[in-house]
Amino acid sequence: KAGVTQTPRYLIKTRGQQVTLSCSPISGHRSVSWYQQTPGQGLQFLFEYFSETQRNKGNFPGRFSGRQFSNSRSEMNVSTLELGDSALYLCASSFGQGSTDTIYFGEGSWLTVV
Amino acid sequence: AQSVTQLGSHVSVSEGALVLLRCNYSSSVPPYLFWYVQYPNQGLQLLLKYTTGATLVKGINGFEAEFKKSETSFHLTKPSAHMSDAAEYFCAVCLSGGYQKVTFGIGTKLQVIP
Repeated sequence: KAGVTQTPRYLIKTRGQQVTLSCSPISGHRSVSWYQQTPGQGLQFLFEYFSETQRNKGNFPGRFSGRQFSNSRSEMNVSTLELGDSALYLCASSFGQGSTDTIYFGEGSWLTVV
Repeated sequence: AQSVTQLGSHVSVSEGALVLLRCNYSSSVPPYLFWYVQYPNQGLQLLLKYTTGATLVKGINGFEAEFKKSETSFHLTKPSAHMSDAAEYFCAVCLSGGYQKVTFGIGTKLQVIP
């Protein structure tokens, strides 16, 4: 079956702009979570959505937001981009039934802010 | 709150030698533990996970890890390194009942020397 699909794979934005990243989970998965990966901070949890509701949230400013649609597809948005937002953004999906679920990751969206 | 410490951001081994990647965790409740691997320009792939039951967990590609509660450790091992094992490895913890909020270690880059 198809894996987690993230678009776009690569993008360059200017400081102050906003960006929207998209994630299509594995068919049947209802949980989608987002992570930011940077060389200095490693992988950091942004938020998780389940059945269109945000169920968990990490420690990121309000400029980072997300949503989930009825078909479980998810988007995350970053407004007023800063240079430090340059990172690999990873989306992951699972059935969302509990911590023992296997979480499957997409290949990520590389965001460069200049 | 939970946390993960990976000892050694870079590890080099000779091809055919033992691979040992160290991971210690901190958790106030019984944790679920994971090892993920990331190849260049790719997302994360689950190697193995510990939830409950047998403390020695076998994963893909010949890797295994042992959950040692007394040492709060979950070290990853492979008896004989292969060139294709060169990648970055992440230890992660998720609290039982904590759904999809996974805390990752900083990662260990494994270099395999021919």
